[in-house]
Amino acid sequence: KAGVTQTPRYLIKTRGQQVTLSCSPISGHRSVSWYQQTPGQGLQFLFEYFSETQRNKGNFPGRFSGRQFSNSRSEMNVSTLELGDSALYLCASSHNNGEGMNTEAFFGQGTRLTVV
Amino acid sequence: AQTVTQSQPEMSVQEAETVTLSCTYDTSESDYYLFWYKQPPSRQMILVIRQEAYKQQNATENRFSVNFQKAAKSFSLKISDSQLGDAAMYFCAYRSGLDAGNMLTFGGGTRLMVKP
Repeated sequence: KAGVTQTPRYLIKTRGQQVTLSCSPISGHRSVSWYQQTPGQGLQFLFEYFSETQRNKGNFPGRFSGRQFSNSRSEMNVSTLELGDSALYLCASSHNNGEGMNTEAFFGQGTRLTVV
Repeated sequence: AQTVTQSQPEMSVQEAETVTLSCTYDTSESDYYLFWYKQPPSRQMILVIRQEAYKQQNATENRFSVNFQKAAKSFSLKISDSQLGDAAMYFCAYRSGLDAGNMLTFGGGTRLMVKP
């Protein structure tokens, strides 16, 4: 079974631009979560999608948005990039056990975004 | 809001020895899950072990075991017979049992170095 796939692996953008990151979950997983990892703030939860609906949202500005498609693939978008958005963005997928609860999260290798 | 604290930014252990990584958390909930994730230089987060709060028995996975002290809100990870491949960042994480979602709150991480 293929793992969680994130594309691209590396990205360099200029301040003010926008960027879209992609995440393909493990086959059969319907929950996808996104995290931002920086040396200063550590790992912070961005948002979670389940069945194309945002289920949870972290404390990030509206420049950060996401969506999920019918095949469970997810994208996150950051508009008007700032230098502080430079980070490793991690995606995780999990399986819903049919009782409304998720199994543990399986992570992708991340997308390293550098804003210059 | 829940918080997770890892008080040891760095730890070092001799190969084949045992090391314990500390984690404390703060929550008012009684139903929750705790996890230890490993992040090697490849950046992919790998689940090491999980613990359900309602279980009194400490979880064990091969050389990895936890000491879960619910009243003290402590969740330490013990690595026995340390191997060079254990060198990585280790993150403690919390997930609410009340939420059907999969939002994880992470500690700041502990960098484990293994000396040959």
